[in-house]
Amino acid sequence: DQQVKQNSPSLSVQEGRISILNCDYTNSMFDYFLWYKKYPAEGPTFLISISSIKDKNEDGRFTVFLNKSAKHLSLHIVPSQPGDSAVYFCAASATNFGNEKLTFGTGTRLTIIP
Amino acid sequence: DAGVTQSPTHLIKTRGQQVTLRCSPKSGHDTVSWYQQALGQGPQFIFQYYEEEERQRGNFPDRFSGHQFPNYSSELNVNALLLGDSALYLCASSSPGRANEKLFFGSGTQLSVL
Repeated sequence: DQQVKQNSPSLSVQEGRISILNCDYTNSMFDYFLWYKKYPAEGPTFLISISSIKDKNEDGRFTVFLNKSAKHLSLHIVPSQPGDSAVYFCAASATNFGNEKLTFGTGTRLTIIP
Repeated sequence: DAGVTQSPTHLIKTRGQQVTLRCSPKSGHDTVSWYQQALGQGPQFIFQYYEEEERQRGNFPDRFSGHQFPNYSSELNVNALLLGDSALYLCASSSPGRANEKLFFGSGTQLSVL
């Protein structure tokens, strides 16, 4: 039972344009959501998060949007840069802080085309 | 400041053998979580250790066991290895009492079971 789903295994975006990565979840107990970025041969690194009491969180070029009624969140990267090419994982937690047990999606491989 | 360190980086075992993976948490972190990432999948939560005790456990069989030492480092043991145990094993550290500290991952141990 996949509680966190990333339905796009891969995405290619031109440098400078906006990248939009999507994630859906099914478990209503999730109340904290995170995005992690993973380069080859490295562990995932934390990118940005959002609590269920918010619908938007912004950090520089990265913005996460949360639609609780649709159980959907998205990560916007603008402008996209070549260094953004990586695998992006959406993750969810049933605690307030997101540093306890995380449930991950299967990831989306983002390729930024120069 | 060293991050999360894992050893070994790669390991090859045969079916039925036992394996021990090691993890040292990031400085200042007292909680260690272990995740299994199979090829093409997102990381799956195995268990979490805090104060030398297993605090939470995911849906993994008893063949998977762990230990946390007084210095907060941790070991993951897998007995009676199966071909399906081949995966990247990620260790993550955190400090649950510090809300702004997210899970910090190591680079992982790539386990191949032949």
